[in-house]
Amino acid sequence: GAVVSQHPSRVICKSGTSVKIECRSLDFQATTMFWYRQFPKKSLMLMATSNEGSKATYEQGVEKDKFLINHASLTLSTLTVTSAHPEDSSFYICSARDYGRVYDEQYFGPGTRLTVT
Amino acid sequence: DAKTTQPPSMDCAEGRAANLPCNHSTISGNEYVYWYRQIHSQGPQYIIHGLKNNETNEMASLIITEDRKSSTLILPHATLRDTAVYYCIAASTGANSKLTFGKGITLSVRP
Repeated sequence: GAVVSQHPSRVICKSGTSVKIECRSLDFQATTMFWYRQFPKKSLMLMATSNEGSKATYEQGVEKDKFLINHASLTLSTLTVTSAHPEDSSFYICSARDYGRVYDEQYFGPGTRLTVT
Repeated sequence: DAKTTQPPSMDCAEGRAANLPCNHSTISGNEYVYWYRQIHSQGPQYIIHGLKNNETNEMASLIITEDRKSSTLILPHATLRDTAVYYCIAASTGANSKLTFGKGITLSVRP
């Protein structure tokens, strides 16, 4: 099956610093990648949709200047949490849509646990 | 996208079939029914999806009612590793489609 990786799997950073999370599709090309956030015991909340070579589309309530998304190639998207604060501590998950498939199943990465101290 | 409704939790015995229900009474004609599951602290895993016909793959079977207002995911022989949160999602396909996750159903498989 299609594989999506994320790096790092866990990160701890100090308040006020920025953190970059990478999402890679390993064995397929992804024209579209998605970024989700999940708080403990809650469901996944879509943050933004990222299309290769164009600006990301953010969901209502998500600050685009705080969560910078770059989708520079068909296999890589990055999420940068700028000036992180403790309330940004969460589980960040990316997914990728397989460009070559007829149907639109998304494949999810393993997630990145961000802790801001 | 249509809203889906799932019971909050259910359990089943290991080795038995697990039947997970989902209501999607407002589903539109071009929306598929997708099932994903999330094992604790991992990313969601795709299970199966369908439009109106029943579907089966190596993981599960999906039974969609004729009026498409509800569906059932069947794990034929549940194992302890199937303990997870299962999400039923109604979504269209195409460039602008996206998945909206509800609360899902927590399946606990007991020994």
